[in-house]
Amino acid sequence: EPEVTQTPSHQVTQMGQEVILRCVPISNHLYFYWYRQILGQKVEFLVSFYNNEISEKSEIFDDQFSVERPDGSNFTLKIRSTKLEDSAMYFCASSKKRAGGNTGELFFGEGSRLTVL
Amino acid sequence: GQNIDQPTEMTATEGAIVQINCTYQTSGFNGLFWYQQHAGEAPTFLSYNVLDGLEEKGRFSSFLSRSKGYSYLLLKELQMKDSASYLCAVRGGSSGSARQLTFGSGTQLTVLP
Repeated sequence: EPEVTQTPSHQVTQMGQEVILRCVPISNHLYFYWYRQILGQKVEFLVSFYNNEISEKSEIFDDQFSVERPDGSNFTLKIRSTKLEDSAMYFCASSKKRAGGNTGELFFGEGSRLTVL
Repeated sequence: GQNIDQPTEMTATEGAIVQINCTYQTSGFNGLFWYQQHAGEAPTFLSYNVLDGLEEKGRFSSFLSRSKGYSYLLLKELQMKDSASYLCAVRGGSSGSARQLTFGSGTQLTVLP
């Protein structure tokens, strides 16, 4: 069964360093997302991406964050200068265009745990 | 803004039935989803409602009332492996075409033997 894959599964970094989290969405999906979940808290929307541009972003997704689809398969999240409060599990997700019986559900990757020291 | 409320914790016994409620107030609505999340893992899709009524899928059913801003997830014949967090999520944001999900804080269900 096709799945969303993410790397790395865990990254430890020093405050102020740049981090890139990588995702390979499901191949026939058109919409891509990043969510984060701080330990013990809810899953929070960061950004959605469609047709090679950001379609929506939340207040969390400030100038420190950027996303890119550098080729036909990868979808990356970059945090330019990490802060302690960026420590979280980052989930990539993808979905099809909703049509007919398709619910347009989001399929999530296993997550990348980011620890900022 | 978006506000989704669900109970923080519930406990039930193996073999029983449990209902997890969710109420929402959102600026846009384009469907309600229930996801299951085991500790340290990704959310996995359980159900989807966009019209009022009950959707049944094996041991899991989900109900939606759009006029009340209310949904519930019903789990029957509980198994130990059903111990997880159950996330209510609404699709739709400030724009009509928004596709992202806004999640509630989740209900941690513990199934006891």
